[in-house]
Order: sequence, then structure tokens, then C-alpha cells
Amino acid sequence: GAVVSQHPSWVICKSGTSVKIECRSLDFQATTMFWYRQFPKQSLMLMATSNEGSKATYEQGVEKDKFLINHASLTLSTLTVTSAHPEDSSFYICSARPGASGLVGTQYFGPGTRLTVL
Amino acid sequence: RKEVEQDPGPFNVPEGATVAFNCTYSNSASQSFFWYRQDCRKEPKLLMSVYSSGNEDGRFTAQLNRASQYISLLIRDSKLSDSATYLCVVNQGGKLIFGQGTELSVKP
Repeated sequence: GAVVSQHPSWVICKSGTSVKIECRSLDFQATTMFWYRQFPKQSLMLMATSNEGSKATYEQGVEKDKFLINHASLTLSTLTVTSAHPEDSSFYICSARPGASGLVGTQYFGPGTRLTVL
Repeated sequence: RKEVEQDPGPFNVPEGATVAFNCTYSNSASQSFFWYRQDCRKEPKLLMSVYSSGNEDGRFTAQLNRASQYISLLIRDSKLSDSATYLCVVNQGGKLIFGQGTELSVKP
């Protein structure tokens, strides 16, 4: 099946620093990738939709200047949490949708990145 | 009102029990429907799609009622390995909207 990787799998950083998370589709091309955030005991919340070669579309309430998304190739999207604060500590999960095939709702999820901001 | 609402959990059941999860969604324009399973500290994994005609995959049966905007998942003969959080997911215009999940714990 389709494989999506994320790096790093976990990261601890100091408040005020920036953290970059990579999401890669390993065996397919993904014109669209999605970034989610999940707080403990809560469900996944879509943060933004990332389209290759264009600007990301952010969901309401998500600060685009704080969560920078770049989707420079068909297999890589990055999320940078700028000036991270303890309240940004969460589980960040990406997913990728195949470009040329698959149902509209088909998304393959990465294993997630657990961010802890001290 | 949440876009996708599920039974609050957790459900604690003995091995071999039958357990049912319920879910409702608010947007009648939703296009497709899924159940995902999420293990602790892991990413969600697709369990099955849900169709209006109802569909079955082994011990798992999913049903969709578009008129009442209701989705269900039935697990028969539950196993210890079924312990996880079950997420009801709705596709709206290519975006997946997740319910808050219902935790299932199957005990020996």
C-alpha cells in the first residue's frame, strides 16, 4: 500500500524556537497533502490543505504566519511551527492524497510527529 | 454543534461481545464516509468505507443512513486486539472531518 513518512517522529524544543516537520509520500505522487493536529483525548483537526506549487489553504482559526507550509514537490510537504510555545505542543499528522488515482476521500496518513515545547 | 459526533466512551467489553458505535454528521452535502481506527499515540488507519447499502468486512459491519445522517459500526465477537479508538470520518469536498472518537477496551 501507499506509504507516507514523517520526520522527525518526535521533537522537544524550547519556547520561541522554530520546528520543521517533513511529510513525504514514498511510493506515489501527491498533489495534495493535509496537515492535522491532535491534542490529547481529542480528535484530529485539519489545519491546512497543501497543494503542490501553490499556497496552502488554512482552516479557520489557524494562523498562516505561525504555521508555514511549503509543498515544493509532488512528494514532499513541510510544516514549520514558528516561535513555538507550550500550547503548540501536540501530535501533528500529515496525510497525502494520490494525484492521479484513488477515491476523492482516499488519504494516506503519516505516522505523526509529537511536538513538545518546553 | 460538532460536524461529526460520536458516542462518548469509553466502552469496556469482554472478549466475544458485540459492540456498536454510533455517529451523526451535520452536513447533508457530505460525500463519503469512513471508519478509522487509531491506536494509542499512532496515526489513524482506515478500517472501512461506509456505503448506503451497508457493508461488511469479516466481523465488522458498517451502515449509513443518509436521510437521518447517521453512521454505525458493529463489531462482532470482539477480540483483545480490537482495543483502540474508533473514529467516524466524513468527506466534505475532499476534506476529511473527524469525530472525536470512541475508545474501546476489550478485556479478557
